[in-house]
Amino acid sequence: DAGVIQSPRHEVTEMGQEVTLRCKPISGHDYLFWYRQTMMRGLELLIYFNNNVPIDDSGMPEDRFSAKMPNASFSTLKIQPSEPRDSAVYFCASSLETGFGEKLFFGSGTQLSVL
Amino acid sequence: AQTVTQSQPEMSVQEAETVTLSCTYDTSENNYYLFWYKQPPSRQMILVIRQEAYKQQNATENRFSVNFQKAAKSFSLKISDSQLGDTAMYFCAFMKYWETSGSRLTFGEGTQLTVNP
Repeated sequence: DAGVIQSPRHEVTEMGQEVTLRCKPISGHDYLFWYRQTMMRGLELLIYFNNNVPIDDSGMPEDRFSAKMPNASFSTLKIQPSEPRDSAVYFCASSLETGFGEKLFFGSGTQLSVL
Repeated sequence: AQTVTQSQPEMSVQEAETVTLSCTYDTSENNYYLFWYKQPPSRQMILVIRQEAYKQQNATENRFSVNFQKAAKSFSLKISDSQLGDTAMYFCAFMKYWETSGSRLTFGEGTQLTVNP
């Protein structure tokens, strides 16, 4: 398996534009997580899905952020409209289960810069 | 809510020497898991080591070992025979034992480790 695949690796956009980040989890993994990493706040969980259903979205900063998982092999994180403070590295991760100490497999992240 | 604290933003060590990274956490749970993840400059998050709270024996993975003190809520990582490739940001992380719909991973702030030749 190729691991968790995220695209794009880098994204530069202007304030006000819509940004869509994409993630393909490892096949067979039932859980998918979106994390955001910044210098100020470290790694924050934004939302996670179980079997394509959002379980906890309490980490989503505001209504400008939305995440979907239309099927087991694809998820998107959308920011509309984007703002400079959204600049960060966004990670997607997947796992077979969660809560039993299993390993999370992370993608390589998307470096987002909002100008 | 659980919190994870890494009080050392940066550390450095000479190649081949031993270094210990500190981590403390706060929880009211009795069953949980603790992790150390490594993030090298490539940005990839890599699991280094994992500890179950119900196990008294400290986890070991080759040159990496932990000192788990449950009563003190302390979980330090020891890296022996440090190598240049160990240069990375290290994150301590906490996972509560399974809930109805799974459980999240909570990360500390990270410690940037530099191994000097």
